Amino acid sequence: AQSVTQLGSHVSVSEGALVLLRCNYSSSVPPYLFWYVQYPNQGLQLLLKYTTGATLVKGINGFEAEFKKSETSFHLTKPSAHMSDAAEYFCAVSIYNNNDMRFGAGTRLTVKP
Amino acid sequence: GAGVSQSPSNKVTEKGKDVELRCDPISGHTALYWYRQSLGQGLEFLIYFQGNSAPDKSGLPSDRFSAERTGGSVSTLTIQRTQQEDSAVYLCASTRGGASTGELFFGEGSRLTVL
Repeated sequence: AQSVTQLGSHVSVSEGALVLLRCNYSSSVPPYLFWYVQYPNQGLQLLLKYTTGATLVKGINGFEAEFKKSETSFHLTKPSAHMSDAAEYFCAVSIYNNNDMRFGAGTRLTVKP
Repeated sequence: GAGVSQSPSNKVTEKGKDVELRCDPISGHTALYWYRQSLGQGLEFLIYFQGNSAPDKSGLPSDRFSAERTGGSVSTLTIQRTQQEDSAVYLCASTRGGASTGELFFGEGSRLTVL
């Protein structure tokens, strides 16, 4: 079955600095990849997704991710962190016509003033 | 309602008791998922309902866990004879089609604490 690994359970950046959250996937067939965000005391919400087509996908709040098949990666980036970005981020993977969506363990992002 | 609604938001129970957790999905969403979120463990898939098809129960950790979905809408997750290791946040999500390309809409979860 497909799976994802998120490197780093906690990431801390200064406000205005680059945000890089790492996600690597494992799948025997082309994957569909997702990033979800969970703000404190809220449910998860979709940040962005890759299914087919352009490998660089843009999401809400200035986040983007690039699907790199050769590296089996789907890292999430944002050029300049904002205090409001502090949250937990989950990478997820599914495959075509299969509803088994697998999530990573999550990365908690802290933004320092 | 506007979003996925879960109840109770918090539940404290004694070891050995049964608990029921409820999920009311977004109207019109045919697919419904239950996940468990434990500290440092990410989201663990439990069960998936799609329309009138037989549910995918492959993620249920033991026979103490069961779930049903009545009328293709509201779902109840039941945990019998609760154990301390069942303590977690139980998340429900729904989507119009399936998860493979669609967006899952999550509720805020039910936090279960087993003493």
